[in-house]
Amino acid sequence: KNEVEQSPQNLTAQEGEFITINCSYSVGISALHWLQQHPGGGIVSLFMLSSGKKKHGRLIATINIQEKHSSLHITASHPRDSAVYICAVESLRDDKIIFGKGTRLHILP
Amino acid sequence: GAGVSQSPRYKVAKRGQDVALRCDPISGHVSLFWYQQALGQGPEFLTYFQNEAQLDKSGLPSDRFFAERPEGSVSTLKIQRTQQEDSAVYLCASSLVAGTGFNEQFFGPGTRLTVL
Repeated sequence: KNEVEQSPQNLTAQEGEFITINCSYSVGISALHWLQQHPGGGIVSLFMLSSGKKKHGRLIATINIQEKHSSLHITASHPRDSAVYICAVESLRDDKIIFGKGTRLHILP
Repeated sequence: GAGVSQSPRYKVAKRGQDVALRCDPISGHVSLFWYQQALGQGPEFLTYFQNEAQLDKSGLPSDRFFAERPEGSVSTLKIQRTQQEDSAVYLCASSLVAGTGFNEQFFGPGTRLTVL
C-alpha cells in the first residue's frame, strides 16, 4: 500500500464545476504539499500545509492531521486548471518527501 | 536564467547505452535535487546535493546511476547501460536554502528519457 494515496486518479469535469481532490497518508508528517504539474513536466508548488486551511484565488487546501487527510478544492474550474495535481508529504521518519501518484484533471470548456 | 533548466528535454537511447542529463539550477541556489517520475506515477527522490556535496543518494535505484555537481552549480545525472525500466521523466529542482525540506523548491521542465 502506498504511503500517500490520492483520489480520484482521473477527473473530467465541465468548466465552472467545483472540484475536490483528496489525499490520504499513513506516515507522520511535518508538512503536506499540493503541487501542479502541467504537460511537459514542470511542477509548481501550490500550497504547503501543516494544519488548517489555506486559500489562494480559486484554490483552497485543507488538512486534518488527526485523520491524516488533505483536500484540494478548485472553485469555478476553468480549462486552464487542467493538469496533474500531486500531493506530497514530508515524512517525519526520515525527512524524505513522499509523493502521491497524482490526479489528472481535465476541465472541459 | 530565470528558472531551472534541463537538457536535453527529450532523449531516446538504445538499451545498453550510457546517457547524461544536465540540470542548470537557479543561480545561487544551494540545494539541488534529482527525481525520477515514471509514467502515471508521482516523482520519486533520487539524490540531493548541498553545494558540491552529495549528501543523500539513497534514492538512486542502482549503481548504474551516478550524479555529480562538481562546482556546486550545474549537475549531471548519468545512467550507464540503460535499461527499459529507466524510461521516465527525470526532474531537477533547486532551492536557495540548505536542507531537504520541500518548501521553496523550484522545478525544471524535466528530461523525458525513453529507452528502446
